[in-house]
Amino acid sequence: GAGVSQSPRYKVAKRGQDVALRCDPISGHVSLFWYQQALGQGPEFLTYFQNEAQLDKSGLPSDRFFAERPEGSVSTLKIQRTQQEDSAVYLCASSQLSGTGRMGEQFFGPGTRLTVL
Amino acid sequence: QQPVQSPQAVILREGEDAVINCSSSKALYSVHWYRQKHGEAPVFLMILLKGGEQKGHDKISASFNEKKQQSSLYLTASQLSYSGTYFCGIRLDQKLVFGQGTRLTINP
Repeated sequence: GAGVSQSPRYKVAKRGQDVALRCDPISGHVSLFWYQQALGQGPEFLTYFQNEAQLDKSGLPSDRFFAERPEGSVSTLKIQRTQQEDSAVYLCASSQLSGTGRMGEQFFGPGTRLTVL
Repeated sequence: QQPVQSPQAVILREGEDAVINCSSSKALYSVHWYRQKHGEAPVFLMILLKGGEQKGHDKISASFNEKKQQSSLYLTASQLSYSGTYFCGIRLDQKLVFGQGTRLTINP
């Protein structure tokens, strides 16, 4: 596609439900990043993939958060047993260059706004 | 580790200039600048890689001072389209750590 796409754009979950957020990066982009953005704050790093390898998951706030990118393209961020504090916009970004060398421009998707009731 | 941006908010009239600063307590390898409009994805503006380097695009430019561990974004003769929240991001290992943002409002 022309850009990074994410689905769903909006998700309302009851506390305790599991949710899955999808990211379709720009075709051919090696690097994929997930961020969490609270209202009025900057994006906070969650995890990073280079192709299918998850190289950094240091930003995942708890073991309820899990991300995968099995074929090195589409990625899914899963949150189990959602809590109210999980409410935020989840942004996905992809980049053409690998993170081991230059870190290039990151192209962001529109985000998924998650509301946990 | 999060860079500190200042000011937190700026209100300008169209045509005025603005400077947004980004400071880090850690040594900087590169600084990335993004602009985000309300409800939209952050959009890339520029990357600065070398100390003292200054880059520009149209009437938006930036400087990067490695020794001072800071970067500044300069908006000249601001246009209505410049409104939004500006974020600097610093590279730490293989990730970007973003500042808290500077909200810029341009009034006609």
